[in-house]
Amino acid sequence: DTAVSQTPKYLVTQMGNDKSIKCEQNLGHDTMYWYKQDSKKFLKIMFSYNNKELIINETVPNRFSPKSPDKAHLNLHINSLELGDSAVYFCASGKGRSNEKLFFGSGTQLSVL
Amino acid sequence: GQQVMQIPQYQHVQEGEDFTTYCNSSTTLSNIQWYKQRPGGHPVFLIQLVKSGEVKKQKRLTFQFGEAKKNSSLHITATQTTDVGTYFCAAPTSGTYKYIFGTGTRLKVLA
Repeated sequence: DTAVSQTPKYLVTQMGNDKSIKCEQNLGHDTMYWYKQDSKKFLKIMFSYNNKELIINETVPNRFSPKSPDKAHLNLHINSLELGDSAVYFCASGKGRSNEKLFFGSGTQLSVL
Repeated sequence: GQQVMQIPQYQHVQEGEDFTTYCNSSTTLSNIQWYKQRPGGHPVFLIQLVKSGEVKKQKRLTFQFGEAKKNSSLHITATQTTDVGTYFCAAPTSGTYKYIFGTGTRLKVLA
């Protein structure tokens, strides 16, 4: 069983569309994250939820809206997609303490045309 | 805010050569983690260092945490083609759930 699973793996869409990425973890972790990896491989944190509560919200356009229906799921909805949104989006989970490792999903490659 | 820089950004080595990547933080760290991301893959946790001056080994990989807990290094002895990928250090911000990832070092190993 995959510990952190994301869907879809690839997402190709037109500018202006709205899309969602889903993430689920079966590790029993309290904390989940969204990271964005650009073409230079930089990994930037976007959001984090702890027990369904938003605890980290980096400087991300409000076109991006995370939702956590329960602590095992964290989805990312993106409105009015722009070319600059093209990247790989990784979901991750952890126990929520600063000395605990992160488990990453396999990533969603988003291409905005 | 806290920044974590890694050098070099890229490194090409011949198979069998050694490789080192360095990670530097602008602030003192409570601990540091290292991750490896294979091409097309996702970051995978390698190790965590907590104590000042700590050295840990995993087969051909040696990890070190600086005495001042502001820098760290990863050294690979006798690289193999399976070592190809991007190596990230990550600094969990003390007292928060936030992990700042370093800028990464992309390693290519030429057979």
